[in-house]
Amino acid sequence: DAGVTQSPTHLIKTRGQQVTLRCSPKSGHDTVSWYQQALGQGPQFIFQYYEEEERQRGNFPDRFSGHQFPNYSSELNVNALLLGDSALYLCASSLGLQGTEAFFGQGTRLTVV
Amino acid sequence: AQSVTQLGSHVSVSEGALVLLRCNYSSSVPPYLFWYVQYPNQGLQLLLKYTSAATLVKGINGFEAEFKKSETSFHLTKPSAHMSDAAEYFCAVSPTTDSWGKLQFGAGTQVVVTP
Repeated sequence: DAGVTQSPTHLIKTRGQQVTLRCSPKSGHDTVSWYQQALGQGPQFIFQYYEEEERQRGNFPDRFSGHQFPNYSSELNVNALLLGDSALYLCASSLGLQGTEAFFGQGTRLTVV
Repeated sequence: AQSVTQLGSHVSVSEGALVLLRCNYSSSVPPYLFWYVQYPNQGLQLLLKYTSAATLVKGINGFEAEFKKSETSFHLTKPSAHMSDAAEYFCAVSPTTDSWGKLQFGAGTQVVVTP
């Protein structure tokens, strides 16, 4: 079982650019959630996808968008990057929308310069 | 609305000593509560979870936590610290009406274990 896999592991982008991060959920899982973890802080919930639809969203601007594919993998897109978007982006997968454990990937470290 | 407060951003313990990490929550409904551990440059690993069954929850690596509704607390303990316990620990809450995938995390407590 490969667990939750994220790519790339590290990324450097310039202010104003756009970035796409990718996540493959744990085998058998169909729900994907994305979190942003700034340095020295706890993870902050961005949004959650289930059945290819955004089901819940945290307090993040529309510059943050996502997608879920039929194979349950997911992408996180961030447009018009700001220096403050520099963070570790974590993907978590779970089964269904009710009462299941979330498994986290190792994250993508995004640095905006 | 729900939130989590972790008391102490850094904790230093001696090897073999008790580890105690404090977590208080606020929630309008009975919550699910979690403790996660994060090693450097890695993602989060679930240590244990409370889901309204037994109030004393045992997790991996010898950790346990007790849910106290009257104190709105969910403190994490381990009787004897090991060098491998050095990591950052996060308490998280999720309302019982939502998926466990949507979690509200505390700011974290960095644990240093000294020989």
